[in-house]
Amino acid sequence: EPEVTQTPSHQVTQMGQEVILRCVPISNHLYFYWYRQILGQKVEFLVSFYNNEISEKSEIFDDQFSVERPDGSNFTLKIRSTKLEDSAMYFCASSETERGRTYEQYFGPGTRLTVT
Amino acid sequence: DAKTTQPTSMDCAEGRAANLPCNHSTISGNEYVYWYRQIHSQGPQYIIHGLKNNETNEMASLIITEDRKSSTLILPHATLRDTAVYYCIVRSDLLTTDSWGKLQFGAGTQVVVTP
Repeated sequence: EPEVTQTPSHQVTQMGQEVILRCVPISNHLYFYWYRQILGQKVEFLVSFYNNEISEKSEIFDDQFSVERPDGSNFTLKIRSTKLEDSAMYFCASSETERGRTYEQYFGPGTRLTVT
Repeated sequence: DAKTTQPTSMDCAEGRAANLPCNHSTISGNEYVYWYRQIHSQGPQYIIHGLKNNETNEMASLIITEDRKSSTLILPHATLRDTAVYYCIVRSDLLTTDSWGKLQFGAGTQVVVTP
């Protein structure tokens, strides 16, 4: 069964450093998302991405964040200068899209980011 | 803010049916009811979704009231592996300037299946 994969599973970084979280969406999906979940809190939407551009972003997704689809398979989330409060689980998701609709999203296992 | 209301927690005996309620009284005509679950900080797992008809798949059944203001997710024979947080989410599938497909998670229902 196709699945979304994410690497690394755990990333530890120092405050102020740049991190790149990687995702491989399901191969025939064209709509991609990033969510995050701070420990003990709700899953929060960060950004959606389609056709090589951002469709929607939340207030959390400020200038420190960026997304990219560098090739035909990967989808990345970059945090330019990490802060302690960026420590969270980051989930990538993907969905099919057709004629102005998106369908159910499938999530990856997540990357646990720890900023020290 | 999430547009749904769910109980904070519920227990279920292994082998019995688990019935998880959800209220979504402000649901719009083009919004679907989606159910996801999250097992101990793993990625949310899609379970089922529906618009107005009842739906069933290999994981669960979804019963939506005629007025669409509430729904129930049914896990027919709960197992210990069904212990998770279950999220009821309303979402339009249409891509518009008001909605680009994001899922808005609430706190969900913590379901504990006991032996």
